[in-house]
Amino acid sequence: KNEVEQSPQNLTAQEGEFITINCSYSVGISALHWLQQHPGGGIVSLFMLSSGKKKHGRLIATINIQEKHSSLHITASHPRDSAVYICAVDTGNQFYFGTGTSLTVIP
Amino acid sequence: NAGVTQTPKFRVLKTGQSMTLLCAQDMNHEYMYWYRQDPGMGLRLIHYSVGEGTTAKGEVPDGYNVSRLKKQNFLLGLESAAPSQTSVYFCASRLLGSWINSPLHFGNGTRLTVT
Repeated sequence: KNEVEQSPQNLTAQEGEFITINCSYSVGISALHWLQQHPGGGIVSLFMLSSGKKKHGRLIATINIQEKHSSLHITASHPRDSAVYICAVDTGNQFYFGTGTSLTVIP
Repeated sequence: NAGVTQTPKFRVLKTGQSMTLLCAQDMNHEYMYWYRQDPGMGLRLIHYSVGEGTTAKGEVPDGYNVSRLKKQNFLLGLESAAPSQTSVYFCASRLLGSWINSPLHFGNGTRLTVT
């Protein structure tokens, strides 16, 4: 049973394209996190949100609590955005993670 | 601030050997976690701690033990390593729970191979 489902699993885009990664979850949450994992393996937190929308530079994250769905958008994608993006739902004490979306942006 | 530091970065063990992975954070975080990451699977929680002196089991605790004697350190032990424990291990910490803006901070990972 997967508490968190991400789509697509793999995504290839041309530089400059608008990208959307989706995350659906089945458990009650207090917050949702988007993480980025670079080829070197390190994981960094991009967003933590519990409602509405957040924006950092070219990245936008939205969440719809009623529909149990979140999206991560990247505007004007760049090769340096190539990474694995992971959705994680936060129940307060524990997290459940999606399997990640591997994004490759081609120059 | 160094953030979250994991040691070692790489390790190869023979079946039956033991080892300890160290996670240290200098951000005064209360919550600390140990995860393993395997191909095709999301990060899975091994054990976690919500404060000094407390630990709890996660989703995949068998074969692992942990200790949190000091707030800044969270140790993960393998008493008798098995090939199924070959994985990449990540430590993470956060200030408190999700009722405040408390993102996760990750270490750089430890790649463990058990032969």
